[in-house]
Amino acid sequence: EPEVTQTPSHQVTQMGQEVILRCVPISNHLYFYWYRQILGQKVEFLVSFYNNEISEKSEIFDDQFSVERPDGSNFTLKIRSTKLEDSAMYFCASAGSRVSLSNQPQHFGDGTRLSIL
Amino acid sequence: DAKTTQPPSMDCAEGRAANLPCNHSTISGNEYVYWYRQIHSQGPQYIIHGLKNNETNEMASLIITEDRKSSTLILPHATLRDTAVYYCIVRVAPNNAGNMLTFGGGTRLMVKP
Repeated sequence: EPEVTQTPSHQVTQMGQEVILRCVPISNHLYFYWYRQILGQKVEFLVSFYNNEISEKSEIFDDQFSVERPDGSNFTLKIRSTKLEDSAMYFCASAGSRVSLSNQPQHFGDGTRLSIL
Repeated sequence: DAKTTQPPSMDCAEGRAANLPCNHSTISGNEYVYWYRQIHSQGPQYIIHGLKNNETNEMASLIITEDRKSSTLILPHATLRDTAVYYCIVRVAPNNAGNMLTFGGGTRLMVKP
């Protein structure tokens, strides 16, 4: 069964450094998402992306965050200048095939654990 | 999106059916009920979704009450690997899949031998 893959599984970065988290969504999907989960807390929505532009974003997704789909397969989340509070699991998800877009569930990767020192 | 209420935790004996309830009394006519689960340190896993009819797939069954104000996820023969946090999420699913998912605290299901 096709799946969403994320790399790396664990990223350790110094505070203030830039970090790029990578995702390969399911190949025929059209909608892409990033969520995060701080240890012990709920899964929180960050941003959704469709047709090469952001369709929704949360308050968490401020100017330090950006997303990109640089080619036909990858979807990336960049944090420009990391802060201690950015430490979390970051999950990528994708949804929506070309066959039918209605009611398509989102399928998640297993996440990247980001640790800011 | 409508708010959901789930018990924080439940236990189930291995091999028995696990029935996980969810209240969504403010659900509106165009909102679907989705169930996901999160096994420790993994990403959320889609289980099933429905609008008003009961649904069944290879993982579970979803029973939605006639007034749609509550639903139950049924794992017919729970195994130890079903131990996870189960999330009931209500959201609009119009002609696109672009809407975000809002996760609550979920129900922590512990399947015991």
